[in-house]
Amino acid sequence: GENVEQHPSTLSVQEGDSAVIKCTYSDSASNYFPWYKQELGKRPQLIIDIRSNVGEKKDQRIAVTLNKTAKHFSLHITETQPEDSAVYFCAASTGYSTLTFGKGTMLLVSP
Amino acid sequence: DAMVIQNPRYQVTQFGKPVTLSCSQTLNHNVMYWYQQKSSQAPKLLFHYYDKDFNNEADTPDNFQSRRPNTSFCFLDIRSPGLGDAAMYLCATSRGTVGEKLFFGSGTQLSVL
Repeated sequence: GENVEQHPSTLSVQEGDSAVIKCTYSDSASNYFPWYKQELGKRPQLIIDIRSNVGEKKDQRIAVTLNKTAKHFSLHITETQPEDSAVYFCAASTGYSTLTFGKGTMLLVSP
Repeated sequence: DAMVIQNPRYQVTQFGKPVTLSCSQTLNHNVMYWYQQKSSQAPKLLFHYYDKDFNNEADTPDNFQSRRPNTSFCFLDIRSPGLGDAAMYLCATSRGTVGEKLFFGSGTQLSVL
């Protein structure tokens, strides 16, 4: 089955810096790559997703890039703010499977 | 407005005493999922329903069962909870299983004494 590796497990940045979280996947048939944000004690929420027919997608300060050849995708957050502090999960799925999540990255943004 | 509602928010049970967690949705989604999430770990899929079709993950223990009596409700039954079953249990829904956004409930934090 699919295996998703996520790095780093913890990331500390200063407010205003950029943050990058990287994930790799094993199944070359994977074609859907969402990112979920989970604030402490709250439910995971989708923040952005990308499908295999595009290489990059942006939504304000958040962007995701996909390299199908290398089987990795990354989340980029620019101009980080304290409210960006949370655990971020990447995930991947094929056209016939449910999502497989990475182990998560705890992002800490210091004022 | 909560769209995926889980009750209770916190549940305490005794070792070996059956417990049921509930989930309801107002989205009319076809798919309902149960995830187990332990501290500092990724959500782990236990099983999901596509309409009435039940799909169990290969490594889900037999101790975990689920029921979906109608589109709106789904239950997680833990027949004989062990200490290792203490976790957050997240219910989620989606329109389909492939390439669809998951809508999560707030979760039920289960403690086993």
